[in-house]
Amino acid sequence: KAGVTQTPRYLIKTRGQQVTLSCSPISGHRSVSWYQQTPGQGLQFLFEYFSETQRNKGNFPGRFSGRQFSNSRSEMNVSTLELGDSALYLCASSKGLDSDTQYFGPGTRLTVL
Amino acid sequence: GQNIDQPTEMTATEGAIVQINCTYQTSGFNGLFWYQQHAGEAPTFLSYNVLDGLEEKGRFSSFLSRSKGYSYLLLKELQMKDSASYLCAVRAGGFKTIFGAGTRLFVKA
Repeated sequence: KAGVTQTPRYLIKTRGQQVTLSCSPISGHRSVSWYQQTPGQGLQFLFEYFSETQRNKGNFPGRFSGRQFSNSRSEMNVSTLELGDSALYLCASSKGLDSDTQYFGPGTRLTVL
Repeated sequence: GQNIDQPTEMTATEGAIVQINCTYQTSGFNGLFWYQQHAGEAPTFLSYNVLDGLEEKGRFSSFLSRSKGYSYLLLKELQMKDSASYLCAVRAGGFKTIFGAGTRLFVKA
């Protein structure tokens, strides 16, 4: 069974630009969660989608948004990029129950110049 | 608020046993996870506890006490490849997973 895939793996943008990251979950998984990981802050929860609906949202500004498609693939978008948005963005998929294990993709390394 | 605390760094010797502690305070509890993350890689699942007690899986064991808001990950017969960050995470209420900042484990020869 293929794992979680994320594209692109690396991205360099400049301040003010916007970016879209993509995540394809494990086949059969209906939940996708997004996290931001920085050296100082660890893994910070962005949002979770299940069956195309956002089930929960972390404490990030409105510049961070996401969506999920009917095939469970998910995208997250960051508009008006700031230097502080430089981070590793990880997506994790699970079947969708509260107790399910989340399986992580390799991440997208975003650098904002 | 919700928070998870774990030591920032630990050092241990190859072949030894190390225990990584995690304390948590969350609104709601649907299980506690441990993940391993090597530098530059994604976290990989190690263990899951939802009931009090010890779960053993090969060289790794994880313990949970819900009343104390406490868990630990025990690594036996340490190997150099165990050098990594270990993340404690709680599935809190409302389908939200809270992660600790991680414990960087250095295994020395």
